[in-house]
Amino acid sequence: GNSVTQMEGPVTLSEEAFLTINCTYTATGYPSLFWYVQYPGEGLQLLLKATKADDKGSNKGFEATYRKETTSFHLEKGSVQVSDSAVYFCALSDLGGGFKTIFGAGTRLFVKA
Amino acid sequence: EADIYQTPRYLVIGTGKKITLECSQTMGHDKMYWYQQDPGMELHLIHYSYGVNSTEKGDLSSESTVSRIRTEHFPLTLESARPSHTSQYLCASSTPGGDNQPQHFGDGTRLSIL
Repeated sequence: GNSVTQMEGPVTLSEEAFLTINCTYTATGYPSLFWYVQYPGEGLQLLLKATKADDKGSNKGFEATYRKETTSFHLEKGSVQVSDSAVYFCALSDLGGGFKTIFGAGTRLFVKA
Repeated sequence: EADIYQTPRYLVIGTGKKITLECSQTMGHDKMYWYQQDPGMELHLIHYSYGVNSTEKGDLSSESTVSRIRTEHFPLTLESARPSHTSQYLCASSTPGGDNQPQHFGDGTRLSIL
């Protein structure tokens, strides 16, 4: 079955540091991949997505590239800010899974000033 | 900007009470979902609907029930609340179509059963 594995947190960084949150997936078909962000006290929001191999999703300085050969979709940002402190979820959706979205367990990011 | 609303935001209530968590969306989305979110953050799908009069159980067994009489409304009901139901409940919706449609989430209901 489909699954998503992302790195365990919490991840603690200083402001302006480089961020990588690893995400790998298992899927029966050719899934679409997503990163969602959850700020304290809120629901999840779509951060970026990629729908086919080698696509790069980007938004608000965050990027992730759909790597079919390594079944990965790692989230990166060159310079984090305190306001980026949140929980980040990697997710996939594909026809083989009936289009239900499968979420990773979430990675909490703390950014210190 | 997504328009999906959950009420109440917080609810503290005693054991044995009947509870209904409300979820409404104004985007005309056919698909709607309920997730239970652990304190450790992981999301578990408990119910979903692909349209009016369609409801399905999700991957995590739940004693709650749902209904979908109108496209915009997807309430979740607990007939007799227990402390084990204490959790955060997130509602989401998405458009029909292929697998590249993201889900839009409400801000959640944090439920505490005493």
